[in-house]
Amino acid sequence: DIQMTQSPSSLSASLGDRVTITCRASQGIGSYLAWYQQKPGKVPKLLIYAASTLQSGVPSRFSGSGSGTDFTLTISTLQPEDVATYYCQKYNSAPWTFGQGTQVEIK
Amino acid sequence: EVQLVESGGGLVQPGGSLRLSCAASGFTFSGYWMHWVRQAPGKGLVWVSRVNRDGSSADYADSVKGRFTISRDSAENTVYLQMNTLRAEDTAIYYCARVTNNGWALEYWGQGTLVTVSS
Repeated sequence: DIQMTQSPSSLSASLGDRVTITCRASQGIGSYLAWYQQKPGKVPKLLIYAASTLQSGVPSRFSGSGSGTDFTLTISTLQPEDVATYYCQKYNSAPWTFGQGTQVEIK
Repeated sequence: EVQLVESGGGLVQPGGSLRLSCAASGFTFSGYWMHWVRQAPGKGLVWVSRVNRDGSSADYADSVKGRFTISRDSAENTVYLQMNTLRAEDTAIYYCARVTNNGWALEYWGQGTLVTVSS
């Protein structure tokens, strides 16, 4: 099975900072990658699919890039409401594996 | 408005069984694959299973294969997860989720139902 590895596991950044989270697949998955945001005590929310397509209603400060094995989620200007755990997920074929998550905090 | 409402969670002893339900509304249920995802307390998201639009095919995570069965009832607009031979490590919130209109990412999620496996 293809493994999904996110880095870092956690990060602390200042308001207004640019934040980048990396997700690496152990084999190529094309662009079949999604990013989710989960705020504490809340249900996961789809942010980006097809590696770089912003889900409707998601602020434009979020962006995704990559294909094959290496992907990134970028928050261009960190806001207080972005405190959350972010997960990548592959969906080219079963199993639809998630990364282990990246916890984002405000410094 | 798309709604997914899970039910059926609770406390069960190791080796026991539970059947989770996810009632769907606000969309054409038969048009979408459906998934179950779980999250152990304080841990990350783990994909569990998916069923295709007419229930004719399914996939499972290795950790639940042979113990869990996903199914769907289009008359009831409900997806189920039959969980047998439960283990302590199955303790988690179980979410059902619907894919996007044009792909397989998980766009809509229910609020989840908590399953606790303990003696």
